[in-house]
Amino acid sequence: AQSVTQLGSHVSVSEGALVLLRCNYSSSVPPYLFWYVQYPNQGLQLLLKYTSAATLVKGINGFEAEFKKSETSFHLTKPSAHMSDAAEYFCAVSNQGAQKLVFGQGTRLTINP
Amino acid sequence: GAGVSQSPSNKVTEKGKDVELRCDPISGHTALYWYRQSLGQGLEFLIYFQGNSAPDKSGLPSDRFSAERTGGSVSTLTIQRTQQEDSAVYLCASSLAVGVGQETQYFGPGTRLLVL
Repeated sequence: AQSVTQLGSHVSVSEGALVLLRCNYSSSVPPYLFWYVQYPNQGLQLLLKYTSAATLVKGINGFEAEFKKSETSFHLTKPSAHMSDAAEYFCAVSNQGAQKLVFGQGTRLTINP
Repeated sequence: GAGVSQSPSNKVTEKGKDVELRCDPISGHTALYWYRQSLGQGLEFLIYFQGNSAPDKSGLPSDRFSAERTGGSVSTLTIQRTQQEDSAVYLCASSLAVGVGQETQYFGPGTRLLVL
């Protein structure tokens, strides 16, 4: 079985500060990993995904994530937060044998002016 | 191009009534997924379609829940005899299915269901 743990249900940073959202996964087979963002009253939008190519993945809106197999982690970062980054962020895992996404509980990101 | 669309956007119903939720996937996407998002349970997988067949319906919480897909396109999720615990946002997603799990799933805006 696969699972995802997102450390911190709420993260608050100042505008211009580093954003770090943590994600750890559990999978018995090589995983595919995803970060999605959800703005209020909207569906989920893909930020980036890891599919066993480069371990450092760059996504939209200046976000990136690094796959670390030894740490079973896929943390999301952005060097400088913008007010428009305020949203809920979900880490998810799937694998070659399963189509469904297994999501973490989500992290709500607040940006302070 | 058009994204995944869902209707209705909001649905209020009384306990015990049946509801139908509709999903229109992106044109050409053969895979379609239903998820449920609730405060207590987070985002949960319900069912997955490849074409008109459902290889994985393991996430359906009870036999009150069913889904179908016709013509390899539109899908309907039906909840019979709704209960208050069915209140949630029901999200639909679609993808180009290549059977390896790495395809990006594109999500619709969801249907917010409230059972009184």
